[in-house]
Amino acid sequence: TQLLEQSPQFLSIQEGENLTVYCNSSSVFSSLQWYRQEPGEGPVLLVTVVTGGEVKKLKRLTFQFGDARKDSSLHITAAQPGDTGLYLCAGGGVSGNTGKLIFGQGTTLQVKP
Amino acid sequence: DTGVSQDPRHKITKRGQNVTFRCDPISEHNRLYWYRQTLGQGPEFLTYFQNEAQLEKSRLLSDRFSAERPKGSFSTLEIQRTEQGDSAMYLCASSLRAVGEKLFFGSGTQLSVL
Repeated sequence: TQLLEQSPQFLSIQEGENLTVYCNSSSVFSSLQWYRQEPGEGPVLLVTVVTGGEVKKLKRLTFQFGDARKDSSLHITAAQPGDTGLYLCAGGGVSGNTGKLIFGQGTTLQVKP
Repeated sequence: DTGVSQDPRHKITKRGQNVTFRCDPISEHNRLYWYRQTLGQGPEFLTYFQNEAQLEKSRLLSDRFSAERPKGSFSTLEIQRTEQGDSAMYLCASSLRAVGEKLFFGSGTQLSVL
């Protein structure tokens, strides 16, 4: 069974702090996606990484895909209260279907003003 | 582009009743996915369609679950004889099959089985 382990599961920080969320697996994925989900809503795609070692930046968010395509990280610089939410990583390419995703259990981020 | 629409947003039912959810994908998207998410967990894949063909079903999908996409547009997910363990958020997503496939999720249907 392919699993994605996210850590930490819960993070509460002050506005302005930096943080990193990790996503690890023993399996290789053809792509790794990061989503943000608000309570009562569906996940919203932030980024897709497909190449081992790839780094993508989205304003204050930096995403990295491990060289072996088994792990990924999300780093947020100078967190703001608007960053509060559930962050999910998801591995794609299972059985050749890039839309069939294996999700991690999520990291709940709370940024206090 | 109105996004993926799901109806109803919330459903409360008694154990043993049947329920049906609807998903309207983004109009030009040919792939449609159903996922289920329980509290404190990430979504789990249930099934997906390419146009009107249901190409894969998860082992999570018992015989009580059935999904259709009759004309390759909207889809329905029916649960028969609901059980308390069926309580979850049911999420629909659509995509355009392509390199770097991106899934667009709806807001989900929250099912509570009493």
